[in-house]
Amino acid sequence: GDSVTQMEGPVTLSEEAFLTINCTYTATGYPSLFWYVQYPGEGLQLLLKATKADDKGSNKGFEATYRKETTSFHLEKGSVQVSDSAVYFCALRGGNQGGKLIFGQGTELSVKP
Amino acid sequence: GAGVSQSPSNKVTEKGKDVELRCDPISGHTALYWYRQSLGQGLEFLIYFQGNSAPDKSGLPSDRFSAERTGGSVSTLTIQRTQQEDSAVYLCASSLGQVNQPQHFGDGTRLSIL
Repeated sequence: GDSVTQMEGPVTLSEEAFLTINCTYTATGYPSLFWYVQYPGEGLQLLLKATKADDKGSNKGFEATYRKETTSFHLEKGSVQVSDSAVYFCALRGGNQGGKLIFGQGTELSVKP
Repeated sequence: GAGVSQSPSNKVTEKGKDVELRCDPISGHTALYWYRQSLGQGLEFLIYFQGNSAPDKSGLPSDRFSAERTGGSVSTLTIQRTQQEDSAVYLCASSLGQVNQPQHFGDGTRLSIL
């Protein structure tokens, strides 16, 4: 079945460092891909999405490109801030799965001043 | 409010008791989802309602779990004869009906089984 694998955390970075969180997927058909973020004590929020190959989703300085050839959707940010400390979840919604999301296990990011 | 609302925010109950968790979706959203977030299993899909269609129950872990959605709006997730492994945060999300529309999540109900 469909699945998502993302790099394990926790990831600890200094402020202004470059961030990459790897995400790869297995899916039949043509899934849509998402990154969700969960800040401490808060609910899941959609960070960005891409619905077809080569699409780039972006929001709040974060970017991810839908790479069908490598089945990947890596999350990047050029300069992280302390306020980016959160848990990041990669997810897919398969074309033949109705609306349900399949999530990766989450990656905890901690940014130090 | 404008977001997905879940109640209660926290629930502590004894093993063997039944619990009901409530979700109020965003007004106008025809799709509603329940997920479970637990330490050992991450985020798992439970059940999905879309309009008047039969729900997708493929993620429900056992027949102790059931859910209904009345009037196409509010949903209740019921867990009967709770077990300690049911302890988790139960998340509800809603979206507009189209497949590519993003899901908006509530803050969840933290369920603890003693």
